[in-house]
Amino acid sequence: DVKVTQSSRYLVKRTGEKVFLECVQDMDHENMFWYRQDPGLGLRLIYFSYDVKMKEKGDIPEGYSVSREKKERFSLILESASTNQTSMYLCASSLQGRTQYFGPGTRLTVL
Amino acid sequence: AQSVTQLGSHVSVSEGALVLLRCNYSSSVPPYLFWYVQYPNQGLQLLLKYTTGATLVKGINGFEAEFKKSETSFHLTKPSAHMSDAAEYFCAVTNSGNTGKLIFGQGTTLQVKP
Repeated sequence: DVKVTQSSRYLVKRTGEKVFLECVQDMDHENMFWYRQDPGLGLRLIYFSYDVKMKEKGDIPEGYSVSREKKERFSLILESASTNQTSMYLCASSLQGRTQYFGPGTRLTVL
Repeated sequence: AQSVTQLGSHVSVSEGALVLLRCNYSSSVPPYLFWYVQYPNQGLQLLLKYTTGATLVKGINGFEAEFKKSETSFHLTKPSAHMSDAAEYFCAVTNSGNTGKLIFGQGTTLQVKP
C-alpha cells in the first residue's frame, strides 16, 4: 500500500514564526502536492512538484514556498506565519497522471 | 478551465436509506473524475474513479457513481446508508495530463441518522 506521512498531526505556532511542514511518500511517486483545506472551500492547491527540485505554483501560493531535494520528500514552508494561514494542510503524491494518495493532514493553528 | 460543483454542503439520511451525493463538472477535455471520502481528523481516501470505459464505476464500501457526459455529472450513490458512512465527501476532476492536478468541489458532509 502507498503510504504518505506528514511530520505532525497538530501544530501550534505564533505569528511571524517560520513553519516547516514535511511530507514523505514511500512509493517512488514523481508528483507531490500540497493543499490547504478550509470549511466550505474544499481543497485548494498551494504548490506541486513533478520531479526533484521542480515545482509549480498552484492556485494559492502566496505566503508559501516549497522544497523538494529528494524524490520522497516534499516540504511546505511558511516564511512568516500569519493567522489567516490557520488551516488543515494535506499532502498527496501520485504517479504521472494517476490517482493521488493523501497523508493524514496537519492541523496548523497560528496564534 | 475545469471546475467542480457539489450540490448541497450537508446531506442527511436515515440509516438504511439511499445515499445520493451530487457532483457536476465542467471540462473542455475528456475528464478523469474521482470521489474521495474524509473521515474526521483523517486524510482523504479514494472511493472510486472514472477514467475511460464503463460509465458506471463501483468503489469501496458499496458506493458507485455514474459518468453522464450529456449531463456533465458524476453523482455518488449507495443503496443503503450505514452509520459508518458519516463523513465528508469530495468530488474532483482532472485532465489526463502528466501532472494529474485535481480540482476539488467544496465537499458534502453526509450525516447518517439512526
